[in-house]
Amino acid sequence: AQKVTQAQTEISVVEKEDVTLDCVYETRDTTYYLFWYKQPPSGELVFLIRRNSFDEQNEISGRYSWNFQKSTSSFNFTITASQVVDSAVYFCALSVSTGGGNKLTFGTGTQLKVEL
Amino acid sequence: GAGVSQSPRYKVTKRGQDVALRCDPISGHVSLYWYRQALGQGPEFLTYFNYEAQQDKSGLPNDRFSAERPEGSISTLTIQRTEQRDSAMYRCASSADGRARAFFGQGTRLTVV
Repeated sequence: AQKVTQAQTEISVVEKEDVTLDCVYETRDTTYYLFWYKQPPSGELVFLIRRNSFDEQNEISGRYSWNFQKSTSSFNFTITASQVVDSAVYFCALSVSTGGGNKLTFGTGTQLKVEL
Repeated sequence: GAGVSQSPRYKVTKRGQDVALRCDPISGHVSLYWYRQALGQGPEFLTYFNYEAQQDKSGLPNDRFSAERPEGSISTLTIQRTEQRDSAMYRCASSADGRARAFFGQGTRLTVV
């Protein structure tokens, strides 16, 4: 069975601070995908990134960066110079190749509040 | 269509009534997924289809829940004899195939009173 743990329930930062959201996953499969989604107050799920288990390169997209560490089963997400518009719930998720490719197991989410 | 479309966006129903939630996937997408998200939780997998075939229904919580996709396009999730604990956001997603990433719809907010 798969499991995703987001230990941080809520984080509050002041605008322009950097913030890292933690994600730890568990799976016995060797082939899997990791995801991050953003859920703003409007409620939709916004896709941010998908990374497969064979690609441990860190990725940067604008103010967003992701650190994938297989050794610690972690896939952490950092927002640099946070902005009020970053306020949302962020979900980390996992899917394995032996299930449907998009049968996702989600964490419980981290509520990020960015204040002026 | 341009994106995954779900209807209705909001549904309030009385306990004991049946409800049908509709998902219209992106045109041509083979795979379709249903998730349920309770307040304050992450989405939980319910079931998925490839074309019209239901591949996995392991996440359906009990036999009051069923889903179909008879022509391999639009899907309906049906909840019979609704209970208050069924109140949640129901999300549909579709993907070009089982390996391509999925696109989520806006969801249907179901409230059982």
